[in-house]
Amino acid sequence: GENVEQHPSTLSVQEGDSAVIKCTYSDSASNYFPWYKQELGKGPQLIIDIRSNVGEKKDQRIAVTLNKTAKHFSLHITETQPEDSAVYFCAAGKRISSGSARQLTFGSGTQLTVLP
Amino acid sequence: DTGVSQNPRHKITKRGQNVTFRCDPISEHNRLYWYRQTLGQGPEFLTYFQNEAQLEKSRLLSDRFSAERPKGSFSTLEIQRTEQGDSAMYLCASSYTQGTLETQYFGPGTRLLVL
Repeated sequence: GENVEQHPSTLSVQEGDSAVIKCTYSDSASNYFPWYKQELGKGPQLIIDIRSNVGEKKDQRIAVTLNKTAKHFSLHITETQPEDSAVYFCAAGKRISSGSARQLTFGSGTQLTVLP
Repeated sequence: DTGVSQNPRHKITKRGQNVTFRCDPISEHNRLYWYRQTLGQGPEFLTYFQNEAQLEKSRLLSDRFSAERPKGSFSTLEIQRTEQGDSAMYLCASSYTQGTLETQYFGPGTRLLVL
């Protein structure tokens, strides 16, 4: 089955600096890579996703890159703010059944702390 | 609030008791997923419904677990004869599809503690 490794497990940055979180996956059948932000006591919230036919995607301060050959993908947050502090999860998705439903395999998470 | 909702948000039970959780997906989302999340880990896939049909089950879903989505709207997850190892956050997600693109939206979860 799929295995997703995520690094680092904790990350502290100064407000305004950039943060980078990296993930690798094992199953070449995975073709969808979302990133979720989870705050304490809440469910994961989708912040950005990328599909295997795209190498990079950007949304304001957040960008994700995908290297399908190397099976790794990364999340970049620029100009970090204290409200960016949360646990971030990467995931790799591959189709289940027929159709477009996907089973997501998550990494173990990165606790990001943005220091004011 | 038009997001995914889950009830109850917290449940404390004694070992051996049965518990049932409910998930109400985003309106008109035809797919519904259940995940389990233990402390310090990412969510793990348990099962998936397309409308009322349960189409996939993880090996994590032992025979003490059963999930239903009788009318293709809300879903329930029941755990029978709970064990301490069942303590976790149970997350529900629903999704819609645009062509071949699918996005899963998660609810706030039900945190279960088995004493």
